[in-house]
Amino acid sequence: KAGVTQTPRYLIKTRGQQVTLSCSPISGHRSVSWYQQTPGQGLQFLFEYFSETQRNKGNFPGRFSGRQFSNSRSEMNVSTLELGDSALYLCASSLERGGVNTEAFFGQGTRLTVV
Amino acid sequence: AQKVTQAQTEISVVEKEDVTLDCVYETRDTTYYLFWYKQPPSGELVFLIRRNSFDEQNEISGRYSWNFQKSTSSFNFTITASQVVDSAVYFCALSEGYSSNTGKLIFGQGTTLQVKP
Repeated sequence: KAGVTQTPRYLIKTRGQQVTLSCSPISGHRSVSWYQQTPGQGLQFLFEYFSETQRNKGNFPGRFSGRQFSNSRSEMNVSTLELGDSALYLCASSLERGGVNTEAFFGQGTRLTVV
Repeated sequence: AQKVTQAQTEISVVEKEDVTLDCVYETRDTTYYLFWYKQPPSGELVFLIRRNSFDEQNEISGRYSWNFQKSTSSFNFTITASQVVDSAVYFCALSEGYSSNTGKLIFGQGTTLQVKP
């Protein structure tokens, strides 16, 4: 069974540009969550999508957005990139049983560098 | 507010030593879930365990064991007879028990474990 796939693995962008990251969840998983990992702030929750709807959102500015498609694949977009957006972006997928998410399985992440 | 604290930033042990990673959490919910993840240098977070707040039984899986104590809000992780391959960053995490929030994990700052040969 294939795991969570994130593309691209590495990305270098210039300040002010925008970027789109992609995540393909494990087959059958309808919940996809995104996290930002930086040395200073650690792992922080960005948002969760379930059945194409944003179900939960972390404390990030509106420049960070996402969406989920009918096949559960998800994208996140960051507009007007800032140097502080340099981070490892991790995507996780999980099943929902009885209205509760089971354990989340993570992809290898996209390493974004803003210069 | 929910919070997870891993007070140990870095731990260094020699192979075959036992090591315990501490995790203390804060939540007002009566239903919640606790997790441990391992992050090797490749970056991917590897799931280790998930426990719900109603199950305080300790768990053992091979060289790994977990001690959940609601009275002290702790969920500690012990590696017995550590190996070099155990070197990684370990994260403890918490999620609320309500369906709309179970997909949101609150992570601790992580503990870097170095196992020397």
